[in-house]
Amino acid sequence: GENVEQHPSTLSVQEGDSAVIKCTYSDSASNYFPWYKQELGKGPQLIIDIRSNVGEKKDQRIAVTLNKTAKHFSLHITETQPEDSAVYFCAALYAGKSTFGDGTTLTVKP
Amino acid sequence: DVKVTQSSRYLVKRTGEKVFLECVQDMDHENMFWYRQDPGLGLRLIYFSYDVKMKEKGDIPEGYSVSREKKERFSLILESASTNQTSMYLCASSLLRGNTYGYTFGSGTRLTVV
Repeated sequence: GENVEQHPSTLSVQEGDSAVIKCTYSDSASNYFPWYKQELGKGPQLIIDIRSNVGEKKDQRIAVTLNKTAKHFSLHITETQPEDSAVYFCAALYAGKSTFGDGTTLTVKP
Repeated sequence: DVKVTQSSRYLVKRTGEKVFLECVQDMDHENMFWYRQDPGLGLRLIYFSYDVKMKEKGDIPEGYSVSREKKERFSLILESASTNQTSMYLCASSLLRGNTYGYTFGSGTRLTVV
């Protein structure tokens, strides 16, 4: 089955800096790669996604890149703000079923 | 506002009890999923369903069963609760199997088995 590895497990940045979270996947059949943000006491919420026929996607301060050959994808957050502090999960999906990374706890220090 | 609703935010049950966790979605989604979330272990898939009365085992189905009698409702059943089932349980739904769509998650049920 699919295996998704996510790094780093914790990340601390100063407000205004950029943050990058990286994931690798094992199954070349995976064709959809969403990212979720989980705030304390809440369920994960989809924040951005990318499909296998696209190399990069941007939405305001967040962007995702995908390298299908290397089987890795990354989340980039620019100009971080304290409200970006949360746990971020990457996932790889095939035929409607997702496999998740173990999560990255991002702390943005004011 | 579309949503996935889990019936309880917090539950405390005794060892050996039969426990029902309920999940309802109002988005007419075909796919529904149950995950458990534990520190350091991420989200692990317990069971999922692509259609009414359909169910498939995920990665950690032991000790659990599910029921999907209606499209909007997916129930997780702990047949005989044990302390190692103390966890956060997350329900999610998504559109058609085979289509590439993200999940909508509920807020979770934190279950403690004593």
